[in-house]
Amino acid sequence: QQQVRQSPQSLTVWEGETAILNCSYEDSTFNYFPWYQQFPGEGPALLISIRSVSDKKEDGRFTIFFNKREKKLSLHITDSQPGDSATYFCAASADMGYKLTFGTGTSLLVDP
Amino acid sequence: NAGVIQTPRHKVTGKGQEATLWCEPISGHSAVFWYRQTIVQGLEFLTYFRNQAPIDDSGMPKERFSAQMPNQSHSTLKIQSTQPQDSAVYLCASSLESVQDTQYFGPGTRLLVL
Repeated sequence: QQQVRQSPQSLTVWEGETAILNCSYEDSTFNYFPWYQQFPGEGPALLISIRSVSDKKEDGRFTIFFNKREKKLSLHITDSQPGDSATYFCAASADMGYKLTFGTGTSLLVDP
Repeated sequence: NAGVIQTPRHKVTGKGQEATLWCEPISGHSAVFWYRQTIVQGLEFLTYFRNQAPIDDSGMPKERFSAQMPNQSHSTLKIQSTQPQDSAVYLCASSLESVQDTQYFGPGTRLLVL
């Protein structure tokens, strides 16, 4: 049973466009949602995160939109650059939790 | 700050052999996590130490897998009698103090069991 789901599995956008990556979860105790970026041969690196008390978190070109009622969130990458080409993982953890539950990832390709 | 260090970066073992993977967390971090990454299963939590004490090993396979943290500067993941299905990238992460602090991942150890 996949507790954190991501879509699409892969996404291609042109340079300068906005990429939208989706994530949904099942466990209502999850209250912390980090997004990790991973390049081939490297470990995941935290990109941006949000807690369930907020509905939006912005950091430069990266924005998380969070809908607690629907248990959905999305990562928007504006003005996409070729260097953004990577795999993006949505993760979640519960209050007083520690282990991260990861989604299956979205592979993003930004065409120049 | 060198980040989380994992050694070796690549390891090839024969079926039935033992594999020991090493992790050096970021200095000052009190929490250490181990995850496993495969194409089929994705990123899976294995085990977690806090201040060197084992807190949660609920993700560890019940047989053949063990993890230790003998001191604050390193942790090991040991797989006995390795099987081809153990082939994966094993990732170590560390975080500062709070259970929800950012987890910083190492580059991983790619284990291939022939």
